[in-house]
Amino acid sequence: DTAVSQTPKYLVTQMGNDKSIKCEQNLGHDTMYWYKQDSKKFLKIMFSYNNKELIINETVPNRFSPKSPDKAHLNLHINSLELGDSAVYFCASSRFMNTEAFFGQGTRLTVV
Amino acid sequence: AQSVTQLDSHVSVSEGTPVLLRCNYSSSYSPSLFWYVQHPNKGLQLLLKYTSAATLVKGINGFEAEFKKSETSFHLTKPSAHMSDAAEYFCVVTISGGSNYKLTFGKGTLLTVNP
Repeated sequence: DTAVSQTPKYLVTQMGNDKSIKCEQNLGHDTMYWYKQDSKKFLKIMFSYNNKELIINETVPNRFSPKSPDKAHLNLHINSLELGDSAVYFCASSRFMNTEAFFGQGTRLTVV
Repeated sequence: AQSVTQLDSHVSVSEGTPVLLRCNYSSSYSPSLFWYVQHPNKGLQLLLKYTSAATLVKGINGFEAEFKKSETSFHLTKPSAHMSDAAEYFCVVTISGGSNYKLTFGKGTLLTVNP
């Protein structure tokens, strides 16, 4: 059983489109995250949710909107996609905010 | 405030030789430290963690790391590299005991293993 699963794994779309990435964890964790990994492999946190509440929003454009319908899910919706949004997006979860995080396999988003 | 510096962006070793990946951290409080590995086109996997217990931490796949407070370091080592160790490695710091502190990632070290 996959602990943190995200879909889709690959996403190719045109500029201006709106797309969503879904994430689910079956670890019973209270905290979930979205990270962005750029072409240089640098990982940057985008959002953190704890018990469905937004805790961290790291100056991400408001075209990015996370949604947490319950503690096990944290989806990421992106409006008006731009070329610079191309990256790998990772979902993760942890028991608490300062404990080790478990990562999904990533979603490679390519905007053309 | 907290930060982490991985001193080498790329380390190349021969199979069977020791691996040393260096990490220095900065933290205003008692830190928790982690090493993650990312194989090509894969997610991140936790190798090991330090959370104020034993300073020498053993992880998976023969890796270990030593927390040295005086040197603010948490270097990752392995006695003998294997081809399957080739990957990107990330050192991560957070603050232990807090309730609202995020993980801060280093910029990564690419390990290549030559036959």
